[in-house]
Amino acid sequence: AQSVAQPEDQVNVAEGNPLTVKCTYSVSGNPYLFWYVQYPNRGLQFLLKYITGDNLVKGSYGFEAEFNKSQTSFHLKKPSALVSDSALYFCAVRDMRGNRDDKIIFGKGTRLHILP
Amino acid sequence: NAGVMQNPRHLVRRRGQEARLRCSPMKGHSHVYWYRQLPEEGLKFMVYLQKENIIDESGMPKERFSAEFPKEGPSILRIQQVVRGDSAAYFCASSPYGTGGKSTEAFFGQGTRLTVV
Repeated sequence: AQSVAQPEDQVNVAEGNPLTVKCTYSVSGNPYLFWYVQYPNRGLQFLLKYITGDNLVKGSYGFEAEFNKSQTSFHLKKPSALVSDSALYFCAVRDMRGNRDDKIIFGKGTRLHILP
Repeated sequence: NAGVMQNPRHLVRRRGQEARLRCSPMKGHSHVYWYRQLPEEGLKFMVYLQKENIIDESGMPKERFSAEFPKEGPSILRIQQVVRGDSAAYFCASSPYGTGGKSTEAFFGQGTRLTVV
């Protein structure tokens, strides 16, 4: 069964500094990987995805993520953090095994605090 | 193209009553997910459906919970005889049936916040 881990409950970064939110995954087939962001009392908003191709994927609001197959990681990054980036971030994985269409599993989330 | 629509946004039920949560997927999407989120916790997978078929219900509690996605109309998550522990935010997401590099991410609704009193 697939699983995803976000080892940090909270990450604090000063505004203007680069940020990284960590994610590792486990699948039996090929992974489809996603990052979502959740603002208070809202649903999840899609940020970016890795399906195939370039290991570095770019998404919304200046975010990017790097797929590392050997380390089974998909860390979210941004070169320069904004206070408005403060939110709850979720990593998710879909285990694509052949033609089987499997569910999407989410990590427990990492709360990102950008300090002015 | 309207997004995923969930209603009601807020639902209050007394212990022992039934809760019905509705989800209309995005146009053209044939797959629906339900997740539960408790305060300060992550998203717990509950069930994955396509029209008239349950693909995976491994996250559904064995009793009192059921879900359907009929040929016509919204997907319904039904909780019978609610208890205080059912209080949570319930999120629905939809996706097109997609593999092979096509759009496979799920798009989320705003959620239904269930409070059991």
